[in-house]
Amino acid sequence: KNQVEQSPQSLIILEGKNCTLQCNYTVSPFSNLRWYKQDTGRGPVSLTIMTFSENTKSNGRYTATLDADTKQSSLHITASQLSDSASYICVVSPSGTYKYIFGTGTRLKVLA
Amino acid sequence: GAVVSQHPSWVICKSGTSVKIECRSLDFQATTMFWYRQFPKQSLMLMATSNEGSKATYEQGVEKDKFLINHASLTLSTLTVTSAHPEDSSFYICSAHRGNQPQHFGDGTRLSIL
Repeated sequence: KNQVEQSPQSLIILEGKNCTLQCNYTVSPFSNLRWYKQDTGRGPVSLTIMTFSENTKSNGRYTATLDADTKQSSLHITASQLSDSASYICVVSPSGTYKYIFGTGTRLKVLA
Repeated sequence: GAVVSQHPSWVICKSGTSVKIECRSLDFQATTMFWYRQFPKQSLMLMATSNEGSKATYEQGVEKDKFLINHASLTLSTLTVTSAHPEDSSFYICSAHRGNQPQHFGDGTRLSIL
């Protein structure tokens, strides 16, 4: 069964600190892996996208990594800001389909 | 970037009424639109896939007579929750997609059934 699991489920950090969110997936084969940010009551917004052959992708303070051998991805946030408080969702697209398989999400809270 | 608009953003109605939610792709023609449902503190769950001009494909466990989907044009899809009941209260999100481009998500509609 295709699954995407994320950890931790929730995380609280102080403003300015770094953090790393984890994503483990069983989807195989897959065409790409994406990280989304979802603010409360809003739709998801794309942060990064990586194909199965890419190892890392950055978008400002967000850096995603991908290890296709271990089927793991991480999202690293540097110098966190209060506006980073949101849910972060790992999404995997199986090969041959436009459907997305959504992870369980990590709820991040950044405190002043 | 691509913009997908959902309307309304929030609706409250009485049990037994039908509610229509619109999803529009504002700056591109979407060959496929997806409808998702999200419960509090949970991730998005795909309800159905809608292709322009054809019948929607529903995921297992989603009642097609309960959730009517129409995709009449390349920029508009609608989801109608028929005879809504409190258990239908949820956050409904659509996304639009074309070719090899990623899905672009709307900002969701919060539905509350009293």
